[in-house]
Amino acid sequence: EIVLTQSPGTLSLSPGERATLSCRASQSVSSSYLAWYQQKPGQAPRLLIFGASSRATGIPDRFSGSGSGTDFTLTISRLEPEDFAVYYCQQYGRSPRTFGQGTKVEIK
Amino acid sequence: EVQLVESGGGLVQPGGSLRLSCAASGFAFNDYYMNWVRQAPGKGLEWVANIKHDGSEKYYMDSVKGRFTISRDNAKNSLYLQMNSLRAEDTAVYYCAREPNRWIQLWYFDFWGQGTLVTVSS
Repeated sequence: EIVLTQSPGTLSLSPGERATLSCRASQSVSSSYLAWYQQKPGQAPRLLIFGASSRATGIPDRFSGSGSGTDFTLTISRLEPEDFAVYYCQQYGRSPRTFGQGTKVEIK
Repeated sequence: EVQLVESGGGLVQPGGSLRLSCAASGFAFNDYYMNWVRQAPGKGLEWVANIKHDGSEKYYMDSVKGRFTISRDNAKNSLYLQMNSLRAEDTAVYYCAREPNRWIQLWYFDFWGQGTLVTVSS
């Protein structure tokens, strides 16, 4: 099983700042089959990024994904008030498909 | 507009059974792979089960194999999860989730329902 470790656990930032979230895999993720989701309290997850760097439909371009192999990054260029949430990475290249434990982006 | 609406959650005793349903609308349900993903209270996400668009192939996480059964009724645009021999560790919000491309199994999820809470406790 591929274990995904997200860091930091919590990121405290102010609106307008840049957020950099990390997702490290215990084994190489084939073909960059990595997705990122955003989840707000009491809501379902929302797909942000797939294929490590492709934005899902309707996702603002302040969200970007990068990386390959075992190291992946989600960057939010300038935080908007609605971006404060928990973010999860997911690898979907190998069974079982697994998620990271999440990074909470909170208002400083 | 794509909509996924889960129902059927509730409180059940250990060893009991529950059947979850997911009503889909706004897309050609019979063309898409569908999944169940769960989230224990205050925890992260965990994929549970997957079913091919025509129902001919099904996959499960190891800890639910032999206890849970995923199924679908394409005539009713509905997805189901039959859960038997429930354990305390199955307590979670269960989400119905769609894969993004018609007929192709991709294993990530572009639309999610709001979830239904299953609590296993005596």
